[in-house]
Amino acid sequence: KAGVTQTPRYLIKTRGQQVTLSCSPISGHRSVSWYQQTPGQGLQFLFEYFSETQRNKGNFPGRFSGRQFSNSRSEMNVSTLELGDSALYLCASSFGAGGSTDTQYFGPGTRLTVL
Amino acid sequence: AQSVTQLGSHVSVSEGALVLLRCNYSSSVPPYLFWYVQYPNQGLQLLLKYTTGATLVKGINGFEAEFKKSETSFHLTKPSAHMSDAAEYFCAVSGAGGYQKVTFGTGTKLQVIP
Repeated sequence: KAGVTQTPRYLIKTRGQQVTLSCSPISGHRSVSWYQQTPGQGLQFLFEYFSETQRNKGNFPGRFSGRQFSNSRSEMNVSTLELGDSALYLCASSFGAGGSTDTQYFGPGTRLTVL
Repeated sequence: AQSVTQLGSHVSVSEGALVLLRCNYSSSVPPYLFWYVQYPNQGLQLLLKYTTGATLVKGINGFEAEFKKSETSFHLTKPSAHMSDAAEYFCAVSGAGGYQKVTFGTGTKLQVIP
C-alpha cells in the first residue's frame, strides 16, 4: 500500500512569509504527527492529530499550527517565518490507538529553506 | 518525562566489523523503545522496537537491540557491517500503553569504511 506522502518536497520562502505543508497518511491511519528536524536540535516533536483533534503538542511557539481533515490528511502552517525555521519537516502516521502494535511510519519530509 | 541519550554523534566501523550504537533512555513510565534509520534526503524507517516481552529484539537488515532495564539502555548491534548500513540512526522512547508522543535522540551517523 502507498506510504506517507508529503508535499511539497522542497520549499523556499523569505522571512515574514507563511507556509503550509501537507501530509497524506497511510490509508486507514488516523494519527498524524509532525516533527521538525535540524542539524542543531535534531528531531523535535511539533504536534499530533488524531481524528481531527490535536492530541499532543510539543514546545513550539504559536506560529506553528496544524489541522487534520476528516480523511486524516493533515496540514501544518508556519506564520511569520524566521530564518531558524529552516528545517526538514517530517510527518508520521499511525493507527493512533496506542499499544504495542502501533508504529509510526514516516514520510520523506518537506525541506523548508527560509531566506 | 522522557529523554534519550545517544553516545557518539559519529561512529566509524570497517566493513564486516561489529556495529554497536549506544542508546540510554530515561522514562518515568515503562517505555516503548525504537530504533529508526534515516538515509540521506529520506524520512525515517523503523528498524525495530521493544514494547513488552522478550528483551532481545530483532529487526530488519540484520540489526538487533537488547532492552536492559537495570542499565536503562537499548543499544543497537549488527554482527557485520555492510556499506549499505551507512546512514543516520535514531533511538527513540515513548510511554507504554496509551498513545504518547515519541522523543528522539540526537542521532548517530554511521560511516562504514571499505
